[in-house]
Amino acid sequence: AQSVAQPEDQVNVAEGNPLTVKCTYSVSGNPYLFWYVQYPNRGLQFLLKYITGDNLVKGSYGFEAEFNKSQTSFHLKKPSALVSDSALYFCAVRESGNTPLVFGKGTRLSVIA
Amino acid sequence: DAGVIQSPRHEVTEMGQEVTLRCKPISGHDYLFWYRQTMMRGLELLIYFNNNVPIDDSGMPEDRFSAKMPNASFSTLKIQPSEPRDSAVYFCASSRLGRNEQFFGPGTRLTVL
Repeated sequence: AQSVAQPEDQVNVAEGNPLTVKCTYSVSGNPYLFWYVQYPNRGLQFLLKYITGDNLVKGSYGFEAEFNKSQTSFHLKKPSALVSDSALYFCAVRESGNTPLVFGKGTRLSVIA
Repeated sequence: DAGVIQSPRHEVTEMGQEVTLRCKPISGHDYLFWYRQTMMRGLELLIYFNNNVPIDDSGMPEDRFSAKMPNASFSTLKIQPSEPRDSAVYFCASSRLGRNEQFFGPGTRLTVL
């Protein structure tokens, strides 16, 4: 069965610094990987996905993620953090196109001015 | 498109009362998912439908929970009787066959006193 691990409950970063939110996964076949963001009192918003192709995926709001098959990781990155990036970030995985997503527990990102 | 619509946005009820949460998926989407989010357990998949048919309800916590999808544009999640431990945010999400992103509604915050 597929699973996702987000090893950090909380990530703190200064505004303007690069940020990384970590995610590792476990699937038996080829992974479909996703990042979502949740702002307070809002639903989850899709940021980006990896299905196939280039290992570096670019998404919304300047975020990108790098798929690393050998390390089974899909870390979320941004070159320069903004205070408005402060939110809860979820990594998710599925094994085929039509099965439900399996979500990690989430990582709270706090960007400090 | 208006996105996934959920109602009510907030519900406060007393223990033992019946609660009905409603969801309207994005038009043309074939899959509908119900999730529950709590601080302790994170985001949990309760049940999902494909073409209005329940596919997997193994995440439904107890017989007190039931979900229906009478047509492609409407689904309900019912809790009867409700208990304080059911207090959570309940999300509905939908996706299209062949696409991979799930689109989330804004959620219903349920408080059972």
